[in-house]
Formats: sequence, C-alpha cells, structure tokens
Amino acid sequence: NAGVMQNPRHLVRRRGQEARLRCSPMKGHSHVYWYRQLPEEGLKFMVYLQKENIIDESGMPKERFSAEFPKEGPSILRIQQVVRGDSAAYFCASSQGLDTQYFGPGTRLTVL
Amino acid sequence: SQQGEEDPQALSIQEGENATMNCSYKTSINNLQWYRQNSGRGLVHLILIRSNEREKHSGRLRVTLDTSKKSSSLLITASRAADTASYFCATEEKGGSEKLVFGKGTKLTVNP
Repeated sequence: NAGVMQNPRHLVRRRGQEARLRCSPMKGHSHVYWYRQLPEEGLKFMVYLQKENIIDESGMPKERFSAEFPKEGPSILRIQQVVRGDSAAYFCASSQGLDTQYFGPGTRLTVL
Repeated sequence: SQQGEEDPQALSIQEGENATMNCSYKTSINNLQWYRQNSGRGLVHLILIRSNEREKHSGRLRVTLDTSKKSSSLLITASRAADTASYFCATEEKGGSEKLVFGKGTKLTVNP
C-alpha cells in the first residue's frame, strides 16, 4: 500500500515563474491537506481539500497561490510568479477524515 | 498564532536514557498528534491521543494529555541513536476544519 506521493521532490524556479506541486493521496483517502515548512520551523497549514472541493483555505495567501483536487488525478498546489520568500518545503498529507493525517516526503522549492 | 509550543527546543542525551518532550497549546482540541521528522525528510506519524484520553503507549513511546493544563508530553524510553530527529506536536482544534496546528518542534540528539 503506497504512501502519500509527492512530486517533484525538488523544484528550482526563477523569480516570476510558476511552480506546480503534485500530491497523490494514499489509496482510499479522499481528504488532502497542504502545509508549508520554512527552515527550522514547524509546519503551517495552507489548505484542506476533498474531491473537487476546497474545505478550508484559511492558511493560503490570497494572491498567487491556488490548489485543486480534481475528481481524477492528483491534488495540485500552484504558485504563480514565485518570489524568493516562497522557498520552502511543501508537504501534502492525506486522511480518510478519521483523524490521522499521513504525510508525503515533501517538495523542496527553491526560488532563485 | 502558534498553537503548539514544544519544550525544550533542543535536547541532547546519551543512548539508553529516556527523553521527555512537552507540548502546550491554547484552544480546545479534538486530538493531539506527535510526529517525527528526520533532517530534510517528511513527517512520520507516531501517535494520536484524543481529548478524552489521558495516556497512550506505543512501543517505547508514552504520551500523556492533560486537557485542564492544555499540555501533552512525549516520553521515549531507552533511546537509540536512530531516535535522533525533530519531534512535533500537532493539534486538531475543536470545531475546526481538521487542519493541524504544529509547534516549532524539539530537536532531539541521541549520542551513541
């Protein structure tokens, strides 16, 4: 039973480019969560989605960031016009909505 | 605002000793979870304790929860060098959207 998959594991972008991060939840999980971690910090919640619905996006910046979890395929976190401050590790987690969230290995985004 | 606050921020012990990490939080919760993160890696779920539970065990791990003091502790007994990692507590707030609120973590070093 594969765990949460994220790709790419490392992503390098220049300022102004777009970053697309993908997350495939564990089999049978319909709840997906995105978190961001800055160096030496804990994780900060960004957005919580269920299939085709955004449930809570209270942690997501209003501009340049968007997330989706379509009926088919992985969840996507999209960052437009990236800036240096977007450099961080982005983690996806999934659950069945029964409390425990299982995390993927993360995508480390570096903005040059 | 930061919900979970771990204490201490860093802990260095010898192999075989016990390690105790504490976590305080601010709001009412549904559950509290502990995760481990090895340097540069993803998060591994260790244990979940619900708000109506006071203590839970899993192998060498013991977690306590005191909702009146809004605090939890994680005890690792007979530590091993492989336990070296950062440990985070995360709370799911009561009436919230299932998002987890993380502390900044305790960096544990177990010296062989």
